[in-house]
Amino acid sequence: QVQLQQSGPGLVKPSQTLSLTCAMSGDSVSSNSAAWNWIRQSSLRGLEWLGRTYYRSKWYNDYAVSVKSRITINPDTSKNEFSLHLNSVTPEDTALYYCARESVGASGFDYWGQGTLVTVSS
Amino acid sequence: QAVLTQPSSLSASPGASASLTCTLRSAINVGAYRIYWYQQKPGSPPQYLLTYRSDSDKQQGSGVPSRFSGSKDAPANAGILLISGLQSEDEADYYCVIWHNSAWVFGGGTKLTVL
Repeated sequence: QVQLQQSGPGLVKPSQTLSLTCAMSGDSVSSNSAAWNWIRQSSLRGLEWLGRTYYRSKWYNDYAVSVKSRITINPDTSKNEFSLHLNSVTPEDTALYYCARESVGASGFDYWGQGTLVTVSS
Repeated sequence: QAVLTQPSSLSASPGASASLTCTLRSAINVGAYRIYWYQQKPGSPPQYLLTYRSDSDKQQGSGVPSRFSGSKDAPANAGILLISGLQSEDEADYYCVIWHNSAWVFGGGTKLTVL
């Protein structure tokens, strides 16, 4: 059974960097049959996909256009986890952030983290 | 115009069927896309239900009852999630998702009320 455990601060100051980590068990961040995603949810934007990282003989990343200039998603194979870094945050980045596994094929996002509420405020 | 449009709310009675629509922007042909459906209940992350592209390309989520099914309405350029035999536990938010222009795109969601 795959489990995703999120960690990171719930409060970030404007202009600073939001950083979250998603640790997994039951799968490997280096899996050739999965991709590792960050998704957020707010009343303003609804559910919004932010980006993903995945390994297919080498590492790849895809990012949403809306955050592409501010986002980095990194795998950490030694800890079997991946992280989200979103810089230059504003109050509009306040949201519930989720990590999620995307399985190759037609399964979509089949496992989700528990969610982390991040508030951007001074 | 949003890429995916869902009605904000829908009500139906227990035991009845509910048809939730996900309309694609007019320039995007529903026939070319797999449509993924998720259910979200308060306080929980979304849960994968099923994927539908065609009758020969579809997948049911693990443990998802067969009364949840997918289809398409090509003339309306829409994907459909059909829930038959509605139960009170089906009351939730439902989201459609597609992979479009190298990004995952979510619909705005439909709040289904079972009353």
